Amino acid sequence: TQLLEQSPQFLSIQEGENLTVYCNSSSVFSSLQWYRQEPGEGPVLLVTVVTGGEVKKLKRLTFQFGDARKDSSLHITAAQPGDTGLYLCASPQGGAQKLVFGQGTRLTINP
Amino acid sequence: GAVVSQHPSRVICKSGTSVKIECRSLDFQATTMFWYRQFPKQSLMLMATSNEGSKATYEQGVEKDKFLINHASLTLSTLTVTSAHPEDSSFYICSASKGRGYGYTFGSGTRLTVV
Repeated sequence: TQLLEQSPQFLSIQEGENLTVYCNSSSVFSSLQWYRQEPGEGPVLLVTVVTGGEVKKLKRLTFQFGDARKDSSLHITAAQPGDTGLYLCASPQGGAQKLVFGQGTRLTINP
Repeated sequence: GAVVSQHPSRVICKSGTSVKIECRSLDFQATTMFWYRQFPKQSLMLMATSNEGSKATYEQGVEKDKFLINHASLTLSTLTVTSAHPEDSSFYICSASKGRGYGYTFGSGTRLTVV
């Protein structure tokens, strides 16, 4: 199983600040997905990146896929308390395309 | 959009009893369903992958006799936690996919507490 290393695992910042979360692997990702999970709920898909060097934007969230497709980042601009949650990267693996998750980044935005 | 319904959302059971969790794809046929377990403040850990009409494939370290998975139709998979113990208390989440390239839809999870 390809391991996904996510960092940082915990991040607490003030409203209005910017932040970046990273997801890395020693192997090439076929594709990579970012999810956000609220307490007591299932994860919700934010974005899928497939092509090396790809950049996707979702309002204040910017997702980048590394040129070598071994790393990805999620950047949030002007964070708001509503951004608080668990952010997860995940990659489909194997013939069954089972979705394997990174350790997650627990983000807290303080008003 | 694709919707997956998971029931129950919360269940409390006595130690030694069995609990069944259902995962249904409401508006699509799921060729593959996945079951995850999530402990507090941790990520989702894949337990098993199930395909309709065949035996589930379990991840290393997951006891297949304890966590029984049945994928009887293209819209329903069940996870039965047998002889539950307090250490089985966790958040269980299912996911369904129509196949390669179609993405994954997650259920809202089941909070299991074994007392």
